[in-house]
Amino acid sequence: NAGVMQNPRHLVRRRGQEARLRCSPMKGHSHVYWYRQLPEEGLKFMVYLQKENIIDESGMPKERFSAEFPKEGPSILRIQQVVRGDSAAYFCASSYRGLYEQYFGPGTRLTVT
Amino acid sequence: GESVGLHLPTLSVQEGDNSIINCAYSNSASDYFIWYKQESGKGPQFIIDIRSNMDKRQGQRVTVLLNKTVKHLSLQIAATQPGDSAVYFCAENLISSGSARQLTFGSGTQLTVLP
Repeated sequence: NAGVMQNPRHLVRRRGQEARLRCSPMKGHSHVYWYRQLPEEGLKFMVYLQKENIIDESGMPKERFSAEFPKEGPSILRIQQVVRGDSAAYFCASSYRGLYEQYFGPGTRLTVT
Repeated sequence: GESVGLHLPTLSVQEGDNSIINCAYSNSASDYFIWYKQESGKGPQFIIDIRSNMDKRQGQRVTVLLNKTVKHLSLQIAATQPGDSAVYFCAENLISSGSARQLTFGSGTQLTVLP
């Protein structure tokens, strides 16, 4: 009974490259959330998706960031032209059809050099 | 409200003692609260939740207390064990809105259990 899976666990990118972070929700979960965490801070909401729909992207930076959750396959958080300030841990959470408990994956630690 | 990049508050307790971790939440309209435990290098792990129509909820070795008057939440851990050492976050949500289900996280408390 696998939990939320994220890959890669660690990602190093040079400034200007693209970063793609993947999230597979728990089995049966159709709601996915992405959060970002800076060192010694709490998680900050970025985007909330259901299958093929973005429900709330109020926490996403206006430029360079995008997210999708296709009908088949994992949710993808994409960061174009990364900058040093994008270095953080990115966590994905999933929930079951509108229930409130969100279960988190292990995160992807992005380092921009 | 926005969390600020401050050093985490810390709490050190002796193994076997009870721990109390406090959290002040930001939105008086929030009606759902969760405590998460985050160990180093891992994602947040759900501990316990409580809705605003309750003021206390108990789980296994943990109790959450909610005081809506002063917007305060606390997590009590009984007989603290070394495996309880972690950062603890409270999170709030507004589920009655029926729309977005984003969680708003507090800044966290580092709990260290001393042998």
